Formats: sequence, structure tokens, C-alpha cells
Amino acid sequence: EPEVTQTPSHQVTQMGQEVILRCVPISNHLYFYWYRQILGQKVEFLVSFYNNEISEKSEIFDDQFSVERPDGSNFTLKIRSTKLEDSAMYFCASSEGGKAYEQYFGPGTRLTVT
Amino acid sequence: GQSLEQPSEVTAVEGAIVQINCTYQTSGFYGLSWYQQHDGGAPTFLSYNGLDGLEETGRFSSFLSRSDSYGYLLLQELQMKDSASYFCAVRDKPPTGGGNKLTFGTGTQLKVEL
Repeated sequence: EPEVTQTPSHQVTQMGQEVILRCVPISNHLYFYWYRQILGQKVEFLVSFYNNEISEKSEIFDDQFSVERPDGSNFTLKIRSTKLEDSAMYFCASSEGGKAYEQYFGPGTRLTVT
Repeated sequence: GQSLEQPSEVTAVEGAIVQINCTYQTSGFYGLSWYQQHDGGAPTFLSYNGLDGLEETGRFSSFLSRSDSYGYLLLQELQMKDSASYFCAVRDKPPTGGGNKLTFGTGTQLKVEL
């Protein structure tokens, strides 16, 4: 069964450093997303991406964040200058056209900022 | 703002039936989804209601009442492996080209006991 994959599974970085989180969505999906979940809290939307551009972003997704689809398979989230409060689990997700209510999530990248 | 409220914890015994409620207050409403998340795992899609009424998928059913801004997830014949967190999620924009973010509820921790 096709699945969303993410690398790395765990990333430790120092405050102020740049990090890139990588995702490979399901191949025939058209919509891509990044969410984050701080330990013990709910899943929060960051950004959605469709047709090679951002379609929607939340207040969390400020100028320090960017997304890119550098090739036909990868989807990346970059945080330019990490803060302590960026420590969270970051989930990539994808969905088919017309079925955005059924999003397939990757296993997540746990980001720890020290 | 957006608000999706769920009970924080529910406990039930193996073989029983449990109902997890979700009340929402969102700027728009275009369907209610339910996701399961085991500790340390990714959210996994369970069910979706776009219209009022009951949707059944095996042991899981989901119900929606748009006039009451309310839905629930019903789990039957509970098994130990059902112990997990359950989140309701709303799509608050119409299914156009890219506005497909999900706003997640606060989550319900279900504990299934022998």
C-alpha cells in the first residue's frame, strides 16, 4: 500500500540554525500539507500546497518557514532560523484531488531545538 | 476563531461500545473527519461525514448534525488495540483548487481496559 515517507525521523538542532524536513507524498496525490504537533497537544495546520504553489497557510507559517517541491517526488519544509518553540513533531500529508478530507500522514519528524 | 471541543479522556472495557463527541464552531463547514493516532504515530483517517446522518465503516461509525454543530465517533466491539487518541477535524473552506486544510479538535484519549 502506498504511503507517505518522511526523513529524518528525528532532528536535533541548535537555536538559530536552519533545518530542512523532507517528505515524499503518495505519487498520484495532488495536494500536500505540513502540520505540526507539540507534545500532548492537537495537530495544527501549517501550510497546504497545490499546483506548485502555496494554497493556504496558517499564522504559524511566518517568514521563517518555506516549502518547496524541488522535483516530482519530494516536498520539503524549511525553517530558516529555528526557535525553541519550534520543537514539535512535524507531519507531512497528502491527499487525492476531491478527497481532501482523507489525508494520508507520514510518520513524522521529531524536531528538537536546543 | 475556530473551536472543536472533545472530551479529553474516555475509558471503556473490551467488547463495549464507546461514543466520542465533537462540537465545533468554525467560520465555515465543509465536512467532519475522524482520525486515530496511536502514541508516537501518525494520524490515520477513519471516517468522514459531509452530510447529516450516520456513516458506517466496519466497527467504526460516525454521525453528523450540522444544525447542532455536533458529531460523534462510535466504536463498537472495543479491542485493546483501539486504545489511542481520536481527533475530529473540520474542513472550513469549500473544496476548490487548494483550500483543503483540516482544523483538528483537542483530541480524546481512549483507554480500553480488560
